[in-house]
Amino acid sequence: DGGITQSPKYLFRKEGQNVTLSCEQNLNHDAMYWYRQDPGQGLRLIYYSQIVNDFQKGDIAEGYSVSREKKESFPLTVTSAQKNPTAFYLCASSFNGGNQPQHFGDGTRLSIL
Amino acid sequence: KNEVEQSPQNLTAQEGEFITINCSYSVGISALHWLQQHPGGGIVSLFMLSSGKKKHGRLIATINIQEKHSSLHITASHPRDSAVYICAVRTSGTYKYIFGTGTRLKVLA
Repeated sequence: DGGITQSPKYLFRKEGQNVTLSCEQNLNHDAMYWYRQDPGQGLRLIYYSQIVNDFQKGDIAEGYSVSREKKESFPLTVTSAQKNPTAFYLCASSFNGGNQPQHFGDGTRLSIL
Repeated sequence: KNEVEQSPQNLTAQEGEFITINCSYSVGISALHWLQQHPGGGIVSLFMLSSGKKKHGRLIATINIQEKHSSLHITASHPRDSAVYICAVRTSGTYKYIFGTGTRLKVLA
């Protein structure tokens, strides 16, 4: 079955530590996105990529980094510069062009120890 | 004021009731997306629409572009419909979405 796989489902980070969240899709989608969800707020865009080897900052990119070396994969690194990393992180993907719907993964919940 | 507003924020219904969730937006859009988020956190796409009305099973979504308003209706609601329903708009000329804060629906048996 085609879909988006995020791993791990739960992740714990110590202060000052970088962590990487995985997102893999086998839908042959061109574009991939990372969102952050906090209680009482709508999803906010961290980074997005419309094509391999290219990505753009979203609305809240500070303290995060990404790479897009393969079409299928778009890992997100939460760096120690992100002062409030505890949140639910969602990855999505879509085809480019026109009004193509985004498909979402099941999310990763990151907590600080 | 948020660019995408949903109402109500919370909704409790009895099984079988007809449910309406509203979404208003203040930006130019190319499409509006209704999403369903279950307690585990995963999000499922319900509808994407840019005009008129779409129906899938017991779910109906409508949009009025002139009034910048969309509604999601659930007929004959069931406890398995309990979830958070999120409205998201794709802003004109971009790939970016703006998301509402969601409507938490609980359907009681």
